Amino acid sequence: AQSVTQLGSHVSVSEGALVLLRCNYSSSVPPYLFWYVQYPNQGLQLLLKYTSAATLVKGINGFEAEFKKSEPSFHLTKPSAHMSDAAEYFCAVRSKAAGNKLTFGGGTRVLVKP
Amino acid sequence: EPEVTQTPSHQVTQMGQEVILRCVPISNHLYFYWYRQILGQKVEFLVSFYNNEISEKSEIFDDQFSVERPDGSNFTLKIRSTKLEDSAMYFCASSEEGQANQPQHFGDGTRLSIL
Repeated sequence: AQSVTQLGSHVSVSEGALVLLRCNYSSSVPPYLFWYVQYPNQGLQLLLKYTSAATLVKGINGFEAEFKKSEPSFHLTKPSAHMSDAAEYFCAVRSKAAGNKLTFGGGTRVLVKP
Repeated sequence: EPEVTQTPSHQVTQMGQEVILRCVPISNHLYFYWYRQILGQKVEFLVSFYNNEISEKSEIFDDQFSVERPDGSNFTLKIRSTKLEDSAMYFCASSEEGQANQPQHFGDGTRLSIL
């Protein structure tokens, strides 16, 4: 079985401040991990993915995430928030054992204050 | 960049009526998926489809649901007799291959409202 927990359904950051979105997962086998972003009235857009090549993964729009097997976690960060980063962010896990499906966390809505 | 497109963006239907949600996956993709998100809840997997048959489905995907690839481009989700609890955002996704490390690309969703 696999599951994802995102800590904090809402996060508020100031423009220029660090963005940190937490994601913890459980998986009985080595997982593949993804972060998606959803802007208002749009679909889910892939930000980045971890597929076992490197533990620090860089994505689009300046975001990156680090895979930590010991925790286990896949937290998403961005050094300096921009107003355009206001959106909802979803962490998701997929594994060979669980078939084709993505299992999503509950999402974290990011508000960026000027 | 190629996109997954979904129509309509919003569908309002009376309870008990049939509804068909339409998706056009990315053209060279072979694996197709439906997910749904009830307001305030997680995005949930419904079904995956490959080579003209269902490859996996969740407990949510009961006999009221069906999927079809009626031609070379469309992928549809049909709900036979809608219930109030079917109200949700429905997302279609596609991937080039079926391996677990392959990302799924999502459409903008169809908001289904059952009255």
